[in-house]
Amino acid sequence: EVQLVESGGGLVQPGGSLRLSCAASGFTFSSYEMNWVRQAPGKGLEWVSYISSSGSTIYYADSVKGRFTISRDNAKNSLYLQMNSLRAEDTAVYYCARVGRESYMDVWGKGTTVTVSS
Amino acid sequence: QSVLTQPPSVSGAPGQRVTISCTGSSSNIGAGYDVHWYQQLPGTAPKLLIYGNSNRPSGVPDRFSGSKSGTSASLAITGLQAEDEADYYCQSYDSSLSGPWVFGGGTKLTVL
Repeated sequence: EVQLVESGGGLVQPGGSLRLSCAASGFTFSSYEMNWVRQAPGKGLEWVSYISSSGSTIYYADSVKGRFTISRDNAKNSLYLQMNSLRAEDTAVYYCARVGRESYMDVWGKGTTVTVSS
Repeated sequence: QSVLTQPPSVSGAPGQRVTISCTGSSSNIGAGYDVHWYQQLPGTAPKLLIYGNSNRPSGVPDRFSGSKSGTSASLAITGLQAEDEADYYCQSYDSSLSGPWVFGGGTKLTVL
C-alpha cells in the first residue's frame, strides 16, 4: 500500500524549532518529487516547500524562506522539514505529499500538527 | 489572499448538479498549466479528485468532472450525494514569484 506518515509535530514556543519527518512506503521514494503543504486552523491549503527526487532542486514559499529547510534521505525513504524561528502564524497541520508528473499531488499523508504558542 | 479564486461556498440538493469555479491569471492557468482538484472531507487529509484538468484517478466516481478554459477551470459534480459534502480545492502551477504550487482558497460544498 502506498503510504506517507508524518511525525514530529507538537507544541513549541515562538522562536523555537521543530523537525518534521515523513516516512514513505509502498513505492520507489527515490523516483518521486515531494512537497510539504500546510493548513492553518479553519483555513485553506498552503504550499510550503518542494524537493526534487534527487534533492538537487528545492523551492520554498516566501512565508517560510530562510526559516525552513526541506531535505530527504532516499536510503531511508524519508522526507524532512526543519523549521526554525517559528511564529504563531506557522501553526497548522503539515502534510507531506507525493508529486505526480503534472505537478499534482497524488498521495498525501494524514498530517502532523504544529502549534506555536507561549 | 489566494492566487486562485474560488467561491467560498456552494450548495445543492441530493441528485442535483453543482459547479465550482477556479479563476487564475496569465501566470498560472492562463499560461497553460494544468488544474487539479482535491476533495477534503471533514477532519481528513486532501485527496486528489481530478488531475490534468479533466482526468479522474482510479476510484473516483464519474459524477465528478473537470474542465478548463482560458484563465479558469471548473469542477462539476452531478447526482449530488450526502457524502460529497466537503471542501474542494483547485491547484495549479505558477511561473511568478509567488511560488510554483498555488491553491484556491477552497469551496465548502453543502448538500442540503
